Amino acid sequence: QVTLRESGPALVKPTQTLTLTCTFSGVSLSTIGMCLTWVRQPPGKALEWLARIDWDDGKYYSTSLRTRLTISKDTSKNQVVLSVTNMDPVDTAMYYCALRTGIRAFGIWGQGTMVTVSS
Amino acid sequence: DIQMTQSPSTLSASVGDRVTITCRASQSINGWLAWYQQKPGKAPKLLISRASSLENGVPSRFSGSGSGTEFTLTISYLQPDDFATYYCQQYYSYYPFTFGPGTKVDIK
Repeated sequence: QVTLRESGPALVKPTQTLTLTCTFSGVSLSTIGMCLTWVRQPPGKALEWLARIDWDDGKYYSTSLRTRLTISKDTSKNQVVLSVTNMDPVDTAMYYCALRTGIRAFGIWGQGTMVTVSS
Repeated sequence: DIQMTQSPSTLSASVGDRVTITCRASQSINGWLAWYQQKPGKAPKLLISRASSLENGVPSRFSGSGSGTEFTLTISYLQPDDFATYYCQQYYSYYPFTFGPGTKVDIK
């Protein structure tokens, strides 16, 4: 059974850097076709795609947030880390990681972690 | 970036109704289109991949169709458990994987 779990701080201050970790089990991100993505959702608003990292270490980012995002993976730990610099109150959101295998879209999701940006 | 739009933004329907949601991409996405269902306080649930491929365990009353830039999600016989928000997402190649703005299906 494949599971994902997001972890990170629940509260960050404006201008700080947010670091989130997605820990997964039951799958290897080095398997051909695997892709892990981060998605966020501000309260009451729509889903927003942030970044993805592929099995071959390909990395892709939201155009609007590209300069603030960094995604990386540690295959040995089964973890993917997302960093978001210069946090602002508008970045307050539920942050999800999700996994894609092959031609399927993102069929496995973590439960999400809520991040509030406030001084 | 590829922009995604959905219509309608809100849809009021009754149990037993046939419901159709439309999703349009700003350029061809070669069928790399997914549909998700999201309920309040829950993570999204994948319903359909590749525009029309139903996920295992998803009821057959859900179906997807379309190609090029226009896609539809149809719920053939709306059930109480189907009242939720639905999102489309393109996941085409090396582009950012954008979502549509969502369609809320609520009770008439």
